[in-house]
Amino acid sequence: GAVVSQHPSWVICKSGTSVKIECRSLDFQATTMFWYRQFPKQSLMLMATSNEGSKATYEQGVEKDKFLINHASLTLSTLTVTSAHPEDSSFYICSVQRTSLTGELFFGEGSRLTVL
Amino acid sequence: AQSVAQPEDQVNVAEGNPLTVKCTYSVSGNPYLFWYVQYPNRGLQFLLKYITGDNLVKGSYGFEAEFNKSQTSFHLKKPSALVSDSALYFCAVRESSASKIIFGSGTRLSIRP
Repeated sequence: GAVVSQHPSWVICKSGTSVKIECRSLDFQATTMFWYRQFPKQSLMLMATSNEGSKATYEQGVEKDKFLINHASLTLSTLTVTSAHPEDSSFYICSVQRTSLTGELFFGEGSRLTVL
Repeated sequence: AQSVAQPEDQVNVAEGNPLTVKCTYSVSGNPYLFWYVQYPNRGLQFLLKYITGDNLVKGSYGFEAEFNKSQTSFHLKKPSALVSDSALYFCAVRESSASKIIFGSGTRLSIRP
């Protein structure tokens, strides 16, 4: 199956700084990657769909200027949390999907962001 | 619009007993259904999926799920629970013509020794 690498696993930053999270598809080329956010004891909230070579598609209510997504290659998508604040503290998870519409998602291990 | 519901926040089962984690869905067409498991501070791991064919789907770690079209359900089952099965389980659905996968709220499965 697909292997997805997400980095960093944990990050602590000061309020006002920016944090970049990387998501790599290791064994196949992913034209589409998804970014999710998960609050404690809650389900996954889809933030945006990352499309290789084009702009990301953001879900309603997600600030595109706050959560910058770049999908520069078929194996790498990045999520940058700009000017982070404590309310941005969360667990961020990326996923990739095989080209088939019926395909399941394969997830990274997640990144725990804590903003002080 | 598609949706998925997991009516139980928590399921508690004794080790060795059978377990069931419930999931119901709503889609306008034929559903694509998935189960994932999440361990603490980890990403989600794929367990199994139903696309078409046999209603009983077998997956990883001895889990299986039964697709019931009339009841719009896709319950996750295992004949004999292990303590190591304790985790958070998510049901997910997508419509055949859509690209998004929608996740349920999750069910925390706790297996006591």
